[in-house]
This record gives sequence, structure tokens and C-alpha cells, in this order.
Amino acid sequence: SQELEQSPQSLIVQEGKNLTINCTSSKTLYGLYWYKQKYGEGLIFLMMLQKGGEEKSHEKITAKLDEKKQQSSLHITASQPSHAGIYLCGADFTGANSKLTFGKGITLSVRP
Amino acid sequence: GAVVSQHPSRVICKSGTSVKIECRSLDFQATTMFWYRQFPKKSLMLMATSNEGSKATYEQGVEKDKFLINHASLTLSTLTVTSAHPEDSSFYICSAREDRANTEAFFGQGTRLTVV
Repeated sequence: SQELEQSPQSLIVQEGKNLTINCTSSKTLYGLYWYKQKYGEGLIFLMMLQKGGEEKSHEKITAKLDEKKQQSSLHITASQPSHAGIYLCGADFTGANSKLTFGKGITLSVRP
Repeated sequence: GAVVSQHPSRVICKSGTSVKIECRSLDFQATTMFWYRQFPKKSLMLMATSNEGSKATYEQGVEKDKFLINHASLTLSTLTVTSAHPEDSSFYICSAREDRANTEAFFGQGTRLTVV
């Protein structure tokens, strides 16, 4: 079974529109990491969330972790073509700088 | 911010040969590094955890003799794909975290391996 589910699988939005993508864990998280990837390239770190109810923002991207620390959402305001890519969430289930388990990723396309 | 450098970014090799991929943490020390493999349009699958000064910890189903990992210093881990076959063609990517609690995990640029 998949420990980390991301939804939707893919998303196409018009430039300027807001959007939200989700990452749901089957277990309580020590940490939740959001990354962005262009196909065939490395992962760009976006945000790390560790505390229940935590919310972080960077430029037009806001990520939240729910109180139970099992679900995270990532919201993009006024999307731009530069936001297009694959968004991956990675879960730290055990803490202590351990490995990350990743979801399958969400492919975001932004139409000009 | 912390940077992880991976080299080479692309490599083509013949079947039966070996290929070495390097992962370096440029401005921090990493006792532990991680090697992932990514299939087309799939998520990252952890292959092994590289431990400085000791043996790597491999995930279930990953052949230790096939994918040799060496973590000789606090800033360098290498993955060697031995006797490569076309099915080893994939995108390999490494990750490293600083040796303190609650830190981000940074990733290298990835290596596209093609075995012909």
C-alpha cells in the first residue's frame, strides 16, 4: 500500500489562478517536505513542516501541515508558468535525519 | 543554502561496464547520504542509505553487489553501478542532510544513466 498519497495526480490551471495540491500520509509524520522537480532534473527544496498546524510561506507558495500531522496542502497563489513542474512530498516517518518516503508526485501545468 | 552536487549529470555506457556516480555536499558535512532511483513518471524509490565510514544500508530488493556504495568522507558518497545492463538505465539522484536535528534534505541534480 502507498504510505503517501498525493492528489490530484495532475493539474492544469490558467495563469493567474490559485491552486491547492495535497499530500496525505497513512501514518503520523515527523516531518513533511515539499519539493519541485523539472523532468529529468534534481529536486528543488521548497518547504519543510514539522509541527502540527504549522504553516510556511515563500513568495506565492504556502504549505500547511494539519494538527494530526498526517496531511499537508500546498497552495499557489496567482500561478505563473514558472510554477509548472512536478511537486513531490516527502515524509520523514522516524525522525533523526532518516530517509524520506515520497509520494508519486503531482504534475502541474500552467497555461499562459 | 546547503548545496549537494552530483556528477555526472548524464552518462552513456556499454552493457557490462561499470559506472560511478558521485554525490558531494558542498558546504556541510553529511554522515548520512541517500541514493534514490526514479523511473519515468514515477516517484523516487530509495535504494540505500550511505553511512560514512561503514557499510551502506540497502532497501529490500536492491542488489548490494550490483550497486556499490562508498562513503569515504563526510562530504562524498559514490554509487557504482557494476556490470551495467539496459534495465539499469534510469535517473539516479542523491540526497544529503546536515548532521544535526531537524534539517532539510537537499538533493543533487541527478544522473541520467543510459546503458546501451
